[in-house]
Amino acid sequence: GENVEQHPSTLSVQEGDSAVIKCTYSDSASNYFPWYKQELGKGPQLIIDIRSNVGEKKDQRIAVTLNKTAKHFSLHITETQPEDSAVYFCAASMRGGADGLTFGKGTHLIIQP
Amino acid sequence: DVKVTQSSRYLVKRTGEKVFLECVQDMDHENMFWYRQDPGLGLRLIYFSYDVKMKEKGDIPEGYSVSREKKERFSLILESASTNQTSMYLCASRPPTRYEQYFGPGTRLTVT
Repeated sequence: GENVEQHPSTLSVQEGDSAVIKCTYSDSASNYFPWYKQELGKGPQLIIDIRSNVGEKKDQRIAVTLNKTAKHFSLHITETQPEDSAVYFCAASMRGGADGLTFGKGTHLIIQP
Repeated sequence: DVKVTQSSRYLVKRTGEKVFLECVQDMDHENMFWYRQDPGLGLRLIYFSYDVKMKEKGDIPEGYSVSREKKERFSLILESASTNQTSMYLCASRPPTRYEQYFGPGTRLTVT
């Protein structure tokens, strides 16, 4: 089955700096790669996703890049703000996630004031 | 707004008890999922369902079963709870025309 590796497990950045979280996946048949943000006491919430026919997608301060050849994808957050502090999960799936998602282990992002 | 609700935020059960975790979504979604979340392990898929009366095993189905008698409700059943099933359980649903999964707030289950 699919295996998703996520790094780093903890990331501390100064407010206003950029943060980058990286994931690799194992199954070349995976075609959907979402990123979820989980705040304390809440369920994960989708922040951005990318499909395998696209190399990059941007939404305001967040962007995701996908390298299908290398089987890795990354989340980029620019101009970080205190409210970006949370746990971030990457995931991969086939069939657009209809059969469920395989998640990475998560990155705890800490924004230092 | 899509709303996924879970019957309990916190639950404490004894070893050997039968445990029911309920999940309800209000958006007529066909796909529903149960994950468990453990520190350092991320979220892992237990079971999922495409529609009423349909169920499929995920990555870690052992010790669990599910029931989907109505489209809006997806139940996770621990037939005989064990201490290694102490975890956060997250339910999610997904509409047929979009890829996004919507998660509930989770149930933190402790088995003593």
